[in-house]
Amino acid sequence: AQKITQTQPGMFVQEKEAVTLDCTYDTSDPSYGLFWYKQPSSGEMIFLIYQGSYDQQNATEGRYSLNFQKARKSANLVISASQLGDSAMYFCAMRDILTGGGNKLTFGTGTQLKVEL
Amino acid sequence: DTEVTQTPKHLVMGMTNKKSLKCEQHMGHRAMYWYKQKAKKPPELMFVYSYEKLSINESVPSRFSPECPNSSLLNLHLHALQPEDSALYLCASSQDGGLGEAFFGQGTRLTVV
Repeated sequence: AQKITQTQPGMFVQEKEAVTLDCTYDTSDPSYGLFWYKQPSSGEMIFLIYQGSYDQQNATEGRYSLNFQKARKSANLVISASQLGDSAMYFCAMRDILTGGGNKLTFGTGTQLKVEL
Repeated sequence: DTEVTQTPKHLVMGMTNKKSLKCEQHMGHRAMYWYKQKAKKPPELMFVYSYEKLSINESVPSRFSPECPNSSLLNLHLHALQPEDSALYLCASSQDGGLGEAFFGQGTRLTVV
Protein backbone atom coordinates (compact mmCIF):
# COMPACT_ATOMS: atom_id res chain seq x y z
CA ALA A 1 0.00 0.00 0.00
CA GLN A 2 1.10 3.51 -0.72
CA LYS A 3 1.73 5.95 2.08
CA ILE A 4 2.45 9.67 2.13
CA THR A 5 3.84 11.37 5.23
CA GLN A 6 3.88 15.10 5.90
CA THR A 7 5.44 15.72 9.30
CA GLN A 8 4.88 19.49 9.52
CA PRO A 9 1.30 20.28 10.56
CA GLY A 10 2.05 24.01 10.45
CA MET A 11 4.77 26.26 9.08
CA PHE A 12 5.44 29.99 9.23
CA VAL A 13 7.54 31.94 6.75
CA GLN A 14 8.22 35.63 6.28
CA GLU A 15 7.18 37.30 3.09
CA LYS A 16 9.83 37.08 0.34
CA GLU A 17 11.63 34.22 2.07
CA ALA A 18 11.85 30.65 0.75
CA VAL A 19 10.18 27.76 2.54
CA THR A 20 10.46 23.98 2.24
CA LEU A 21 7.51 21.70 2.92
CA ASP A 22 8.47 18.11 3.63
CA CYS A 23 6.98 14.99 2.09
CA THR A 24 8.12 11.38 2.29
CA TYR A 25 6.45 8.46 0.61
CA ASP A 26 6.45 4.71 0.59
CA THR A 27 5.53 2.49 -2.34
CA SER A 28 6.61 -0.80 -3.85
CA ASP A 29 5.72 0.30 -7.39
CA PRO A 30 8.71 1.15 -9.60
CA SER A 31 6.61 3.67 -11.51
CA TYR A 32 4.75 6.37 -9.63
CA GLY A 33 3.78 10.00 -9.73
CA LEU A 34 4.01 12.60 -7.00
CA PHE A 35 1.95 15.78 -6.81
CA TRP A 36 1.65 18.87 -4.70
CA TYR A 37 -1.67 20.67 -4.30
CA LYS A 38 -2.54 23.94 -2.59
CA GLN A 39 -5.88 24.34 -0.83
CA PRO A 40 -6.85 27.87 0.25
CA SER A 41 -9.61 28.38 2.78
CA SER A 42 -12.07 28.60 -0.12
CA GLY A 43 -11.69 24.83 -0.58
CA GLU A 44 -10.45 24.45 -4.13
CA MET A 45 -7.55 22.04 -4.62
CA ILE A 46 -5.06 23.78 -6.90
CA PHE A 47 -2.50 21.66 -8.74
CA LEU A 48 1.02 23.04 -8.28
CA ILE A 49 3.64 20.61 -9.53
CA TYR A 50 4.21 17.01 -10.65
CA GLN A 51 7.22 14.68 -10.45
CA GLY A 52 7.39 11.33 -12.19
CA SER A 53 9.48 8.57 -10.67
CA TYR A 54 11.60 8.25 -13.83
CA ASP A 55 12.11 11.97 -14.33
CA GLN A 56 15.81 12.73 -14.29
CA GLN A 57 15.43 16.36 -13.30
CA ASN A 58 13.58 17.96 -10.43
CA ALA A 59 10.30 19.56 -11.51
CA THR A 60 9.93 23.34 -11.45
CA GLU A 61 6.89 25.56 -12.04
CA GLY A 62 7.53 29.25 -11.53
CA ARG A 63 8.19 29.83 -7.83
CA TYR A 64 7.58 26.17 -7.04
CA SER A 65 10.22 23.49 -7.26
CA LEU A 66 10.22 19.90 -6.13
CA ASN A 67 13.32 18.55 -4.41
CA PHE A 68 13.05 14.89 -5.44
CA GLN A 69 15.38 12.47 -3.68
CA LYS A 70 14.39 9.04 -4.92
CA ALA A 71 16.72 6.99 -2.73
CA ARG A 72 15.39 8.75 0.37
CA LYS A 73 11.82 8.59 -0.93
CA SER A 74 11.29 12.27 -0.37
CA ALA A 75 9.60 14.89 -2.53
CA ASN A 76 9.83 18.21 -0.74
CA LEU A 77 8.16 21.33 -2.13
CA VAL A 78 10.20 24.52 -2.17
CA ILE A 79 8.38 27.82 -2.52
CA SER A 80 10.68 30.73 -3.31
CA ALA A 81 9.93 34.39 -2.59
CA SER A 82 6.85 33.68 -0.47
CA GLN A 83 3.82 35.87 -0.92
CA LEU A 84 0.87 36.51 1.40
CA GLY A 85 -1.33 34.67 -1.06
CA ASP A 86 0.69 31.51 -0.50
CA SER A 87 -0.95 31.09 2.90
CA ALA A 88 -2.94 27.87 2.54
CA MET A 89 -2.94 24.14 3.25
CA TYR A 90 -0.50 22.18 1.11
CA PHE A 91 -0.98 18.51 0.32
CA CYS A 92 1.54 16.05 -1.06
CA ALA A 93 -0.08 13.21 -3.00
CA MET A 94 0.89 10.03 -4.81
CA ARG A 95 -0.91 8.62 -7.80
CA ASP A 96 -1.93 5.00 -8.03
CA ILE A 97 -3.10 4.16 -11.54
CA LEU A 98 -6.15 1.90 -11.36
CA THR A 99 -6.53 -1.13 -13.62
CA GLY A 100 -10.14 -0.21 -14.32
CA GLY A 101 -9.21 3.24 -15.54
CA GLY A 102 -8.56 6.51 -13.80
CA ASN A 103 -6.30 6.90 -10.84
CA LYS A 104 -6.43 7.27 -7.09
CA LEU A 105 -4.62 10.04 -5.31
CA THR A 106 -3.41 9.20 -1.84
CA PHE A 107 -2.87 12.40 0.12
CA GLY A 108 -0.66 13.23 3.04
CA THR A 109 -2.13 14.93 6.10
CA GLY A 110 -1.16 18.37 4.83
CA THR A 111 0.91 21.31 6.02
CA GLN A 112 -0.77 24.61 6.91
CA LEU A 113 1.50 27.40 5.68
CA LYS A 114 1.17 30.95 6.94
CA VAL A 115 3.12 33.75 5.32
CA GLU A 116 3.79 36.71 7.59
CA LEU A 117 4.78 40.30 6.86
CA ASP B 1 -9.45 25.77 -19.98
CA THR B 2 -8.47 23.77 -16.91
CA GLU B 3 -11.68 24.37 -15.02
CA VAL B 4 -13.87 21.95 -13.16
CA THR B 5 -17.15 23.55 -12.14
CA GLN B 6 -19.17 22.34 -9.19
CA THR B 7 -22.66 23.40 -8.17
CA PRO B 8 -23.92 24.34 -5.70
CA LYS B 9 -21.06 25.81 -3.69
CA HIS B 10 -22.99 25.43 -0.45
CA LEU B 11 -25.85 23.09 0.43
CA VAL B 12 -27.82 22.61 3.63
CA MET B 13 -30.16 19.64 3.64
CA GLY B 14 -32.29 17.74 6.10
CA MET B 15 -31.86 14.04 6.73
CA THR B 16 -35.00 13.22 4.76
CA ASN B 17 -34.17 15.37 1.74
CA LYS B 18 -32.98 14.30 -1.68
CA LYS B 19 -30.45 16.54 -3.37
CA SER B 20 -27.81 16.32 -6.09
CA LEU B 21 -24.32 17.71 -6.51
CA LYS B 22 -23.20 18.52 -10.03
CA CYS B 23 -19.78 18.63 -11.66
CA GLU B 24 -18.79 19.66 -15.17
CA GLN B 25 -15.54 19.76 -17.11
CA HIS B 26 -14.73 20.54 -20.74
CA MET B 27 -11.11 19.43 -20.89
CA GLY B 28 -11.89 16.18 -22.68
CA HIS B 29 -10.93 14.20 -19.60
CA ARG B 30 -12.39 10.70 -19.50
CA ALA B 31 -11.75 9.99 -15.82
CA MET B 32 -13.83 11.78 -13.19
CA TYR B 33 -13.83 11.47 -9.43
CA TRP B 34 -15.71 12.29 -6.25
CA TYR B 35 -13.70 12.94 -3.09
CA LYS B 36 -14.99 13.67 0.41
CA GLN B 37 -13.01 15.94 2.72
CA LYS B 38 -13.72 16.50 6.41
CA ALA B 39 -12.39 19.60 8.13
CA LYS B 40 -8.60 19.61 8.60
CA LYS B 41 -8.27 16.21 6.92
CA PRO B 42 -7.01 15.17 3.48
CA PRO B 43 -9.51 14.28 0.74
CA GLU B 44 -10.68 10.68 0.57
CA LEU B 45 -11.67 9.01 -2.68
CA MET B 46 -15.31 7.95 -3.00
CA PHE B 47 -15.93 7.07 -6.66
CA VAL B 48 -14.04 6.88 -9.94
CA TYR B 49 -15.64 6.97 -13.39
CA SER B 50 -13.61 6.00 -16.42
CA TYR B 51 -15.20 6.50 -19.86
CA GLU B 52 -18.55 7.09 -18.18
CA LYS B 53 -18.45 3.75 -16.38
CA LEU B 54 -18.08 3.36 -12.63
CA SER B 55 -14.70 1.77 -12.06
CA ILE B 56 -14.20 2.29 -8.34
CA ASN B 57 -16.58 2.53 -5.38
CA GLU B 58 -14.57 2.88 -2.19
CA SER B 59 -17.20 1.13 -0.06
CA VAL B 60 -19.35 4.24 0.02
CA PRO B 61 -22.80 3.89 1.67
CA SER B 62 -25.71 3.57 -0.75
CA ARG B 63 -27.17 6.89 0.40
CA PHE B 64 -24.58 8.34 -2.00
CA SER B 65 -25.37 7.49 -5.61
CA PRO B 66 -23.07 8.66 -8.41
CA GLU B 67 -24.08 9.16 -12.01
CA CYS B 68 -22.09 10.04 -15.13
CA PRO B 69 -24.62 11.02 -17.85
CA ASN B 70 -21.90 11.92 -20.37
CA SER B 71 -18.17 12.51 -20.60
CA SER B 72 -18.43 16.08 -19.30
CA LEU B 73 -20.84 15.66 -16.41
CA LEU B 74 -20.72 13.90 -13.07
CA ASN B 75 -23.49 13.93 -10.48
CA LEU B 76 -23.70 12.76 -6.90
CA HIS B 77 -27.22 12.04 -5.71
CA LEU B 78 -27.80 12.32 -1.99
CA HIS B 79 -30.62 10.71 -0.02
CA ALA B 80 -31.24 10.10 3.68
CA LEU B 81 -27.89 11.51 4.72
CA GLN B 82 -26.61 11.66 8.28
CA PRO B 83 -25.10 14.67 10.08
CA GLU B 84 -21.69 12.96 9.91
CA ASP B 85 -21.89 13.20 6.11
CA SER B 86 -21.39 16.95 6.42
CA ALA B 87 -18.15 17.69 4.57
CA LEU B 88 -16.58 19.32 1.52
CA TYR B 89 -17.29 17.25 -1.58
CA LEU B 90 -14.71 17.67 -4.31
CA CYS B 91 -15.04 16.66 -7.92
CA ALA B 92 -11.94 16.07 -10.05
CA SER B 93 -11.04 14.96 -13.56
CA SER B 94 -7.93 13.65 -15.28
CA GLN B 95 -6.77 12.44 -18.66
CA ASP B 96 -7.46 9.05 -20.22
CA GLY B 97 -5.92 6.18 -18.34
CA GLY B 98 -5.44 8.29 -15.26
CA LEU B 99 -2.26 9.89 -16.55
CA GLY B 100 -1.48 13.49 -15.80
CA GLU B 101 -2.58 15.61 -12.95
CA ALA B 102 -6.09 15.66 -11.56
CA PHE B 103 -7.89 19.00 -11.71
CA PHE B 104 -10.30 19.74 -8.91
CA GLY B 105 -13.39 21.89 -8.63
CA GLN B 106 -14.01 24.36 -5.82
CA GLY B 107 -16.12 21.84 -3.98
CA THR B 108 -19.57 21.80 -2.43
CA ARG B 109 -19.75 22.45 1.29
CA LEU B 110 -22.53 20.18 2.49
CA THR B 111 -24.22 20.51 5.86
CA VAL B 112 -26.73 17.86 6.93
CA VAL B 113 -29.12 18.99 9.66
